Amino acid sequence: DAKTTQPPSMDCAEGRAANLPCNHSTISGNEYVYWYRQIHSQGPQYIIHGLKNNETNEMASLIITEDRKSSTLILPHATLRDTAVYYCIVRVSIYNQGGKLIFGQGTELSVKP
Amino acid sequence: GAVVSQHPSWVICKSGTSVKIECRSLDFQATTMFWYRQFPKQSLMLMATSNEGSKATYEQGVEKDKFLINHASLTLSTLTVTSAHPEDSSFYICSARDLATGRFDEQYFGPGTRLTVT
Repeated sequence: DAKTTQPPSMDCAEGRAANLPCNHSTISGNEYVYWYRQIHSQGPQYIIHGLKNNETNEMASLIITEDRKSSTLILPHATLRDTAVYYCIVRVSIYNQGGKLIFGQGTELSVKP
Repeated sequence: GAVVSQHPSWVICKSGTSVKIECRSLDFQATTMFWYRQFPKQSLMLMATSNEGSKATYEQGVEKDKFLINHASLTLSTLTVTSAHPEDSSFYICSARDLATGRFDEQYFGPGTRLTVT
């Protein structure tokens, strides 16, 4: 699976959009981009995933560049409860094959009042 | 959404004893479960993959005789830390996938178990 690079930490003001970047320059054509987050001392939570099109759900938006070498997770209106470590993971998603997630170091997002 | 529980949420044990951690999928059948370990200020490290009814697959460097995994039913996987030592103190997290309903792109994580070995 391709490796990812994320900034170790970011700050964001409450109510503003939080834009978390992720570089995955060695991504293969059949690899998806997944985002999870982990609030302190809890299990990770799935946020969103995509292949090449931009995706949006009730939690966030995922913007993937045309060459797929980087992506940005957008939390449109960050709240204090969004303070967490955000993990960008790239992996093949094939039904009934493996599916294990390899976590990198992630970005520690601090939302400040 | 799908719920995964872990029991206990925290445990303190003495060095040399064994500890069992349970991971349950509460509202779906988990054909595959994963076990992770997380040390303070570090990321999650995958320990093993368990498939219902078969032997677990361990990641490189993880001792299978020390970390016993059993996935005897579609809703329960257990991790037993045998002869625990202080260096085994960590946050243990399980996750589960539901292949039956096609939600294969999501893994549902448990809340974690904090193990402290004294």
